Amino acid sequence: NAGVTQTPKFQVLKTGQSMTLQCAQDMNHEYMSWYRQDPGMGLRLIHYSVGAGITDQGEVPNGYNVSRSTTEDFPLRLLSAAPSQTSVYFCASSGDRAGYEQYFGPGTRLTVT
Amino acid sequence: KQEVTQIPAALSVPEGENLVLNCSFTDSAIYNLQWFRQDPGKGLTSLLLIQSSQREQTSGRLNASLDKSSGRSTLYIAASQPGDSATYLCAPGGGADGLTFGKGTHLIIQP
Repeated sequence: NAGVTQTPKFQVLKTGQSMTLQCAQDMNHEYMSWYRQDPGMGLRLIHYSVGAGITDQGEVPNGYNVSRSTTEDFPLRLLSAAPSQTSVYFCASSGDRAGYEQYFGPGTRLTVT
Repeated sequence: KQEVTQIPAALSVPEGENLVLNCSFTDSAIYNLQWFRQDPGKGLTSLLLIQSSQREQTSGRLNASLDKSSGRSTLYIAASQPGDSATYLCAPGGGADGLTFGKGTHLIIQP
């Protein structure tokens, strides 16, 4: 199993540009989520999904969109990038939303200039 | 809102020492608590998962305990090695709203 994969590893955007961060898992996990990690802030939940077709907002959802058309994929979209979205983004998955171990991808380091 | 505090924020000790990293959280209504390790510039590696009904979990030189009612967890590292140098993150939660992370303990083990 590849586990949780994320692409790209690094990305530089200009303010106002859009992009999609990709996340995929091959463990048939129902629950997937996106976090951002900023210095001094810890990891914060952006959006999560408890299964295909179901998504919900986390702690810091503004400026981000998600969709879940398949069990395997959970892309994160930035519609109009802002410097405040400069961060490291992590995708995670687990077998269920309650009580299961969460597995994290390697992260995408995004810089918005 | 869940708040997680990890103490100490940083720790530097010589190789071979036994260590205790502390984590406290404000909301005891959790499904589980995970301890992670993060190396510089890398992702998170899960070390231990403790279910809310459990008191502790062990993996090799690592032992984590959970006292849900008092909102505390500790990670015990026995016979520390330079390869243990990393940031250790505590994350209670496990429900639909995911995990809440502390800011971590930055650990350096001196050879």
